[in-house]
Amino acid sequence: QKEVEQDPGPLSVPEGAIVSLNCTYSNSAFQYFMWYRQYSRKGPELLMYTYSSGNKEDGRFTAQVDKSSKYISLFIRDSQPSDSATYLCAMRRGNNDMRFGAGTRLTVKP
Amino acid sequence: EAEVAQSPRYKITEKSQAVAFWCDPISGHATLYWYRQILGQGPELLVQFQDESVVDDSQLPKDRFSAERLKGVDSTLKIQPAELGDSAMYLCASSVDRESQYFGPGTRLTVL
Repeated sequence: QKEVEQDPGPLSVPEGAIVSLNCTYSNSAFQYFMWYRQYSRKGPELLMYTYSSGNKEDGRFTAQVDKSSKYISLFIRDSQPSDSATYLCAMRRGNNDMRFGAGTRLTVKP
Repeated sequence: EAEVAQSPRYKITEKSQAVAFWCDPISGHATLYWYRQILGQGPELLVQFQDESVVDDSQLPKDRFSAERLKGVDSTLKIQPAELGDSAMYLCASSVDRESQYFGPGTRLTVL
């Protein structure tokens, strides 16, 4: 079993839809949780960073962490074609040791 | 806006040849990371530097891979000899704190 599980999709939604992306993890030692967006042939770009359980909002993006269930989510409201990319969840135990999910490929159709 | 620079962007080589990738982090970023990303998977850490010192190279295949950051600024990752299974995207990232890692565009390696 992988430490971080992420549904690879692909996920296709119409413009304006609410998108839900999810990851589960097995190691309760993970403390820091991140979501990255990766466009084709580009490096990952940090979208959201959270530490504690609960919600964190930034514009159209909301990150949710449930440590008791070992489950994290990223919600995208009013999705746009420019949101089409691969979304990677990532988590870290301490100073080092970052673990990434496999990524979910999202397409938002106009 | 400052960015992490990597070169080359693409590299095609034959197996058993040597290849080298270069990374220039964002100015002032003391921590530098090299990741390998196989198509359809997330990045996996190969090596992490704090200034010129290696902090974590536990996942670096040391029989064929080497990395250095001699002056604590730019860094080189080398593979010798390259194998077919090394075909992947090699990503460099840098950070000034633990929260934010900034990635470069990557070097896509194809080994024939």
